[in-house]
Amino acid sequence: DVVMTQSPLSLPVTLGQPASISCRSSQSLVHSDGNTYVNWFQQRPGQSPRRLIYEVSNRDSGVPDRFSGSESGTDFTLKISRVEAEDVGVYYCMQGTHWPWTFGQGTKVEI
Amino acid sequence: QVQLVQSGAEVKKPGASMKVSCKTSGYSFTGYFMHWVRQAPGQGLEWMGWINPNSGGTSYAQKFQGRVTMTRDTSISTAYMELSRLRSDDTAIYYCARGDFDYWGQGTLVTVSS
Repeated sequence: DVVMTQSPLSLPVTLGQPASISCRSSQSLVHSDGNTYVNWFQQRPGQSPRRLIYEVSNRDSGVPDRFSGSESGTDFTLKISRVEAEDVGVYYCMQGTHWPWTFGQGTKVEI
Repeated sequence: QVQLVQSGAEVKKPGASMKVSCKTSGYSFTGYFMHWVRQAPGQGLEWMGWINPNSGGTSYAQKFQGRVTMTRDTSISTAYMELSRLRSDDTAIYYCARGDFDYWGQGTLVTVSS
């Protein structure tokens, strides 16, 4: 199975400052169709996960543009340009290129 | 609007079975796979498998094979996930999630306790 390793697991942030979460995969996530199926999710306390980013860098509808996703080989990054109070929660990366789908361990973002 | 509404919380005894439903609306039920994901208390997300509502075909994570059964009823746009031979470590919130994980149910807490 593909292992998705997130870092850090805990991320203290300052309001208005940038933040970055890394996710490293144990193998290439480029699918045979040429796409790379990496999603990022936000899970606020007591809520269901919410998809923020799909296919590495595409922001979902309604997601603030302060969230962005990028990749460099097998390293994937979620960036928040200026953290706001509502961004508190746990963030997960997930790969959907190889069966079985696998998630990172989660990164807890707290002010 | 797209909605996935799951059944309510359950308490089960070890060895019993559980069945969670996920009723959908606002989109073509047969047009998207349905995934099931679980989250143990204070833990991360774990993919369990998917069902193709159109064909009924399924794919289960190896960890759950032999214990999990995913089904659907297209007449009421509802997906089901049944887990048998429950253990205490099956205590978790179980989520259904559409296709590319763009929409999720609200989660169903299943507690396994004697």
